[in-house]
Amino acid sequence: AQSVTQLDSQVPVFEEAPVELRCNYSSSVSVYLFWYVQYPNQGLQLLLKYLSGSTLVKGINGFEAEFNKSQTSFHLRKPSVHISDTAEYFCAVSPSNDYKLSFGAGTTVTVRA
Amino acid sequence: DAGVIQSPRHEVTEMGQEVTLRCKPISGHNSLFWYRQTMMRGLELLIYFNNNVPIDDSGMPEDRFSAKMPNASFSTLKIQPSEPRDSAVYFCASTRGGHGYTFGSGTRLTVV
Repeated sequence: AQSVTQLDSQVPVFEEAPVELRCNYSSSVSVYLFWYVQYPNQGLQLLLKYLSGSTLVKGINGFEAEFNKSQTSFHLRKPSVHISDTAEYFCAVSPSNDYKLSFGAGTTVTVRA
Repeated sequence: DAGVIQSPRHEVTEMGQEVTLRCKPISGHNSLFWYRQTMMRGLELLIYFNNNVPIDDSGMPEDRFSAKMPNASFSTLKIQPSEPRDSAVYFCASTRGGHGYTFGSGTRLTVV
């Protein structure tokens, strides 16, 4: 089975500052990794995914994440946030031979002017 | 593409009533997932279908919950009888033989 731990439940940040959201996973098999964003009263939207290849993955809205197999981590970063980045962010993992996604508990990012 | 379409967006029902949630996946997507989101338990996978066949229903809470996918363009999640603890946002998602779902906007269910 797979599990995901998002190390921060709330991250307040000022506009134009950088942000990092931490995600660790555990699995006995090889995995694929994802970050999703959820804006208030909406569904989840895929930000980026790591399936294979380069460990640095670039996604939408200026976000990027780095897969670190030795540390079993997949941290999400953005060098300069906007007010519109205020949302909840979910890290997720699936076994590479299955489509079943397991989600972390989420990190709420609040961007202040 | 209209995306994954869920209906209704909001449902308020009385305890004991039957509730049916509906989902239309993206055309051409062959896998469909039902998730439930609550503050206490986060996002939980209830069931998923591949080519209209249920593959894993281990997340379905109990016999009061059932899901069907009669064809590639429609799925339902039914709760009978409903209880207040079923109150949650229910999401449907679909994908086409790949990794990374497209989610619907969800159905917010309130059981009073």
